[in-house]
Formats: sequence, structure tokens, C-alpha cells
Amino acid sequence: KAGVTQTPRYLIKTRGQQVTLSCSPISGHRSVSWYQQTPGQGLQFLFEYFSETQRNKGNFPGRFSGRQFSNSRSEMNVSTLELGDSALYLCASSLDVAGGLTDTQYFGPGTRLTVL
Amino acid sequence: AQSVTQLGSHVSVSEGALVLLRCNYSSSVPPYLFWYVQYPNQGLQLLLKYTSAATLVKGNNGFEAEFKKSETSFHLTKPSAHMSDAAEYFCAVSRPGTASKLTFGTGTRLQVTL
Repeated sequence: KAGVTQTPRYLIKTRGQQVTLSCSPISGHRSVSWYQQTPGQGLQFLFEYFSETQRNKGNFPGRFSGRQFSNSRSEMNVSTLELGDSALYLCASSLDVAGGLTDTQYFGPGTRLTVL
Repeated sequence: AQSVTQLGSHVSVSEGALVLLRCNYSSSVPPYLFWYVQYPNQGLQLLLKYTSAATLVKGNNGFEAEFKKSETSFHLTKPSAHMSDAAEYFCAVSRPGTASKLTFGTGTRLQVTL
């Protein structure tokens, strides 16, 4: 079974632009979560989508948004990019059969975003 | 609120030596605990997880971790380090029912020397 895929793998943008990252979960997985990884802040939870609805949200500004499609694929968008948005953005998917009780998240390779 | 503290941002061991990576957690409810490993330019791979069953959890590649409630710890060990174990290791905690929202520690970079 194919793992979590993320596109693109690398991205360079300039301040003020916006960006969209894509995540395809493992087949059959219904939950998709996004994390930001930076050297200074480490791994931080952005948000989680389940059945096309945002179910959990971290402490990020409204410039960070996401959505999930009916096939469970997810996108995240960052508007008005700032230098501090440079990071590795990781997507994780999980089966969530039991409502998240003992579920496991499987991570993709990430998208490395550089903001100049 | 939950949190995870990983003591030691860098740990260096000789090949064949014991690996001990420390993780302490704080949680107002019985937590779920995880160890993930990250190799350069890759995502996170699950090593093992604790979800309130057996307190000693065995994972991939000879790693294991023991949940100790009295010490609020979930340290990761491996009896004999291998060069291929060199990577960054993250301890993470979640609340039961919200396993999709992980809170991570700051990570420990493991170096294995000859």
C-alpha cells in the first residue's frame, strides 16, 4: 500500500505570496493532520481534517488554512507569506476507525517551504 | 494541557553500546505516548506507541520503551546501537480520543560512533 505522499517536495516563495501544499493520505485513511517543523519551534500541530471538516486546530494565525476533499486528499494554504513561515510542512494520515482512540498517524516526507 | 520534555538534544553512543533517550510527559489525563524517528530529509516514522495496554512496549529495530506513571516517563532504549540508528528521535503525547493531535518534544539527535 502506498504511503502518504506530499507535493511538491520543495518550494521557494517570496514574502507576501501565497502557497498551497497537497497531501494524499494512505488509501482508506480518513483523517489528515498537518504539522509545521522548524529548528526554533520544533514540531507544531496545525490542524486536522476528518470527513471534509476541520476537527482540531492548533495555535496558528488565520493565514494558515486547509481543506479536505471527499477522497480524503487534503490541501493547506498559507497566505501572505512571512519569512518565519519557512519550514518543513508534514502531513500525517490515520485510519480513525475507532474515533481516534488508539489510532496511529503515518507521516509523509514533507514539503520544504523556503520564503525569501 | 499536555507537554513532553526530552532531556538531551544530542546523545552520542558507540556502536554496540546501550541507547537511552529520555522522555518525560505531563498530562492531566492518562496519555497515549509515541516515539517517532526522523532520518535526514524524510518524514517521521513510528517506532512504538503506548496506549494503556502493556507498560513495556516493543518497537521496530530492537527499540523498546517503558511507561512509568510514577515517574511520568517513557524512555526509549535499545541494548546495542547500530550505525543505522543515527537519526533524530521525537517523543510525542496525545489525549485518548484525540490521537490525531500530537504534542511533540524537541527531539534528540542520536549519533553513533565506531
